[in-house]
Amino acid sequence: DAMVIQNPRYQVTQFGKPVTLSCSQTLNHNVMYWYQQKSSQAPKLLFHYYDKDFNNEADTPDNFQSRRPNTSFCFLDIRSPGLGDAAMYLCATSREDRGFSPLHFGNGTRLTVT
Amino acid sequence: TQLLEQSPQFLSIQEGENLTVYCNSSSVFSSLQWYRQEPGEGPVLLVTVVTGGEVKKLKRLTFQFGDARKDSSLHITAAQPGDTGLYLCAGVTGAQKLVFGQGTRLTINP
Repeated sequence: DAMVIQNPRYQVTQFGKPVTLSCSQTLNHNVMYWYQQKSSQAPKLLFHYYDKDFNNEADTPDNFQSRRPNTSFCFLDIRSPGLGDAAMYLCATSREDRGFSPLHFGNGTRLTVT
Repeated sequence: TQLLEQSPQFLSIQEGENLTVYCNSSSVFSSLQWYRQEPGEGPVLLVTVVTGGEVKKLKRLTFQFGDARKDSSLHITAAQPGDTGLYLCAGVTGAQKLVFGQGTRLTINP
């Protein structure tokens, strides 16, 4: 039973064409995260929501935005994708906004920019 | 910035061999998590270690947290092809942030 679901699994977009990735969770966790992962590298945190409070990482480009309309859903919007934005995008949840609260990841959306 | 260095970055061994993966830092972490990520999937939590010197076992996997809580190791006994994946350690800082290492890509050949 998938608990963190990401759609689509694969997304192809054109250079500069806005794209939205979606994530839903059935865990009722307070915190939802978006990570970017490039080939065989560690996931890089872009931002997270604690409930409705948005927390942006200092080095996340303005090109990346997020929305969390309710507890279950969170979206990643890339306003003008560049070739360097091609990556796996991972959504994760945790019960609390504390490091010891383990992350539950979705299976990711692999984004290709042509 | 607290960093975690994993070694080796890549490891390819034969089925049945033993191996150890290391996760090192000059900083102290309040706890440390290990994740495994299989190709095309998200990372899955394997274990959390909290106390300095703690050892946890998960079937053929043995995890150890260093006495000073600055490093950790993962030892796999009699590796199997199903152990193939990217192993990520992640340390929890005093500010309750999660810091990932860059991962160890493990391949077990039949």
